[in-house]
Amino acid sequence: LAKTTQPISMDSYEGQEVNITCSHNNIATNDYITWYQQFPSQGPRFIIQGYKTKVTNEVASLFIPADRKSSTLSLPRVSLSDTAVYYCLVGDRGSTLGRLYFGRGTQLTVWP
Amino acid sequence: NAGVTQTPKFRVLKTGQSMTLLCAQDMNHEYMYWYRQDPGMGLRLIHYSVGEGTTAKGEVPDGYNVSRLKKQNFLLGLESAAPSQTSVYFCASSPLGGGVQETQYFGPGTRLLVL
Repeated sequence: LAKTTQPISMDSYEGQEVNITCSHNNIATNDYITWYQQFPSQGPRFIIQGYKTKVTNEVASLFIPADRKSSTLSLPRVSLSDTAVYYCLVGDRGSTLGRLYFGRGTQLTVWP
Repeated sequence: NAGVTQTPKFRVLKTGQSMTLLCAQDMNHEYMYWYRQDPGMGLRLIHYSVGEGTTAKGEVPDGYNVSRLKKQNFLLGLESAAPSQTSVYFCASSPLGGGVQETQYFGPGTRLLVL
């Protein structure tokens, strides 16, 4: 699985848009990019996944440039409840191991 | 539909004691996983299972054993607990385990303190 690099922490205020960038320079052709969110004292939960360009759901948007060596998770108008750790994962869709590599993630703190 | 549940939620052990953590899922998922999470670190895979009756080692398997006798249950055992095993343990499951695109569903975690 390709390793990823994310900022250790980010701060924001309520109502702002937050963009968390993940670097994955050695991403392979068949790799997908997935983001998980983890609240304190809870297990991670899936947020969004993409392969190229842009993906949007009710929670976030994921922007992936043409070279796919990085990706950006965008959270519109964050609230206090978005305070969590966000993990970026990259892996092969065809993997039979089902293993996910969770790095340290990005601790997002939203302030009032 | 409870999803993934873990028992117990919290436990304190003395060095050398043994215990079993239970993970149960009611989503009929094939793959199940055990992770540990230490302060300031991401999740590390301990063991996983690709189906009933099968188990495999993950990134940090030493000191742990697992069993998957029933499809819905995945047990994590500590035969002789050590302080280094103090951690938060998460269980997860996924439908097919086909890779990153296969969403994993996590349990609420078990906090283990080994004195």
